[in-house]
Amino acid sequence: GAVVSQHPSWVICKSGTSVKIECRSLDFQATTMFWYRQFPKQSLMLMATSNEGSKATYEQGVEKDKFLINHASLTLSTLTVTSAHPEDSSFYICSASGGQVPFGTFGSGTRLTVV
Amino acid sequence: DAKTTQPTSMDCAEGRAANLPCNHSTISGNEYVYWYRQIHSQGPQYIIHGLKNNETNEMASLIITEDRKSSTLILPHATLRDTAVYYCIVRGSGGGADGLTFGKGTHLIIQP
Repeated sequence: GAVVSQHPSWVICKSGTSVKIECRSLDFQATTMFWYRQFPKQSLMLMATSNEGSKATYEQGVEKDKFLINHASLTLSTLTVTSAHPEDSSFYICSASGGQVPFGTFGSGTRLTVV
Repeated sequence: DAKTTQPTSMDCAEGRAANLPCNHSTISGNEYVYWYRQIHSQGPQYIIHGLKNNETNEMASLIITEDRKSSTLILPHATLRDTAVYYCIVRGSGGGADGLTFGKGTHLIIQP
């Protein structure tokens, strides 16, 4: 079946630094990738949608200059949290769809803790 | 996408069938019903989806009422590993081009 690999699975960073999270589709070409955020005891919230080779589309309230998304190839998307603050601490999850995988497969998530 | 309503939590005994209901009374004709689950601290896992007919796969069965206003996900022989939050999501026929709108889901607890 379709596999999406997300790395790292957890990261701790200092306030003010930037963190990059990678999302890879291992066995299919992901024309569309999605990034979600999940705070403790809450549901997943869609942050942005990216299509390969295009600029990402951000949901209302998500700062595009703070959460930089790059989807330069059909198998890789990255999310960079710039100038991270403690309130950015959350569980970030990517999802990918494309071709024979029309309904989206999720990565295992990245737990970000900003101290 | 149509809104869904699910119970906050449910218990089920191990080995028994777990029946998770979902109301989606505002679903439109071209919208599908999808079910995902999320085990603690993991990404969501696709379970099953359907439009109007009942569906079955190796994980579960999906029963959609004739008026399509509600559905039930059935895990035929629940195990402890089925403890998770189950999300019922209605989405349009755009399929993978659209992000998912997650509600609060149902926290299913399988009791030994």
